[in-house]
Amino acid sequence: QKEVEQDPGPLSVPEGAIVSLNCTYSNSAFQYFMWYRQYSRKGPELLMYTYSSGNKEDGRFTAQVDKSSKYISLFIRDSQPSDSATYLCAMSGSNYQLIWGAGTKLIIKP
Amino acid sequence: GAVVSQHPSWVICKSGTSVKIECRSLDFQATTMFWYRQFPKQSLMLMATSNEGSKATYEQGVEKDKFLINHASLTLSTLTVTSAHPEDSSFYICSAKGQGPDTQYFGPGTRLTVL
Repeated sequence: QKEVEQDPGPLSVPEGAIVSLNCTYSNSAFQYFMWYRQYSRKGPELLMYTYSSGNKEDGRFTAQVDKSSKYISLFIRDSQPSDSATYLCAMSGSNYQLIWGAGTKLIIKP
Repeated sequence: GAVVSQHPSWVICKSGTSVKIECRSLDFQATTMFWYRQFPKQSLMLMATSNEGSKATYEQGVEKDKFLINHASLTLSTLTVTSAHPEDSSFYICSAKGQGPDTQYFGPGTRLTVL
């Protein structure tokens, strides 16, 4: 079993829809949770960062962490074609070494 | 966010030659740099972690004699793929880390094609 599980997709939704992306993990020592966005043939860019459990909102993006269920989510409201990318979850413990999910390819259809 | 550059962005080489990829943190000093490779439609695979002035720590299964990493300063790390073969063709991405868990910034990547 991988430490971090993420459905690779692709996930295809119409423009304007709410998108839900998820990751599950097995290591209870993880306390830092991140979502990265990667466009094709580009390096990943940090989208959201959450420490421990709770919600964090930034514009159209909301990150949720449920440590009791070992489950994290990224919600995108009012999705746009420009949101089409691969979204990778990453998490770490106190050593700050990132453990990555496989990435979910998201396609927003105009 | 901070800026990390990689050079070259794309390289094609003949089998058996060596290729050097540079990773620079442009506006901050990176205590640690990471090197990843990514095959098409797959996630990032950590190859090695390097700290300035010390030897790199390689992940299991990564040949340290084939993938030479030098971290000469707090703003520069290099990855040299020695005696490259077609199976080394991949997307290589570096990241540079400052202080704190959310301060890992990625370069734009280098696409290596070995003929």
